Amino acid sequence: DTGVSQNPRHKITKRGQNVTFRCDPISEHNRLYWYRQTLGQGPEFLTYFQNEAQLEKSRLLSDRFSAERPKGSFSTLEIQRTEQGDSAMYLCASSPPGQGYTGELFFGEGSRLTVL
Amino acid sequence: LAKTTQPISMDSYEGQEVNITCSHNNIATNDYITWYQQFPSQGPRFIIQGYKTKVTNEVASLFIPADRKSSTLSLPRVSLSDTAVYYCLVSERANNLFFGTGTRLTVIP
Repeated sequence: DTGVSQNPRHKITKRGQNVTFRCDPISEHNRLYWYRQTLGQGPEFLTYFQNEAQLEKSRLLSDRFSAERPKGSFSTLEIQRTEQGDSAMYLCASSPPGQGYTGELFFGEGSRLTVL
Repeated sequence: LAKTTQPISMDSYEGQEVNITCSHNNIATNDYITWYQQFPSQGPRFIIQGYKTKVTNEVASLFIPADRKSSTLSLPRVSLSDTAVYYCLVSERANNLFFGTGTRLTVIP
């Protein structure tokens, strides 16, 4: 499968613990995006990378959240000191050079986080 | 970001054509109109995109009137597998897309 891959698919953690999600975009896609989706709502933008540079961050991305894309390939999203309000599906998407500006994103299946 | 308004839910019988209309009164000159489909526990999937008039692909058609203040996604002869949430998005760039709550389409046998 050459689609966007996200791991783990499910994560259950206790409040206060740190969690990290990984996203492997489609090969040669230089743009990578993180979104968060809660039940009954549409995805909400968190952050965007072009190659290794993090170019945009939402106000939703509090100080407890950090995203990296060190070599311009895979990306990680870390949540420190998790809170119950962090429970959501975390979606990663990627897009190829030149197409990111037309809105066609390729999403992974998401990583579902449950904070107890 | 231009906001969109679309019905919360729609029901349709199998085999019928389904039209979902989206209002975007504040659409800007450089904005494109994009529709995504999302099944439960999956990420959204791109369906179609347009700027003006009509766009058709193997899955759907998108009708955009001259004033571009609305758009209609048309799904021909829906099947049970088309039951999903459909999102209408309006944006100039893909960096920061606003999905809203979408339209929940239920196809009935």
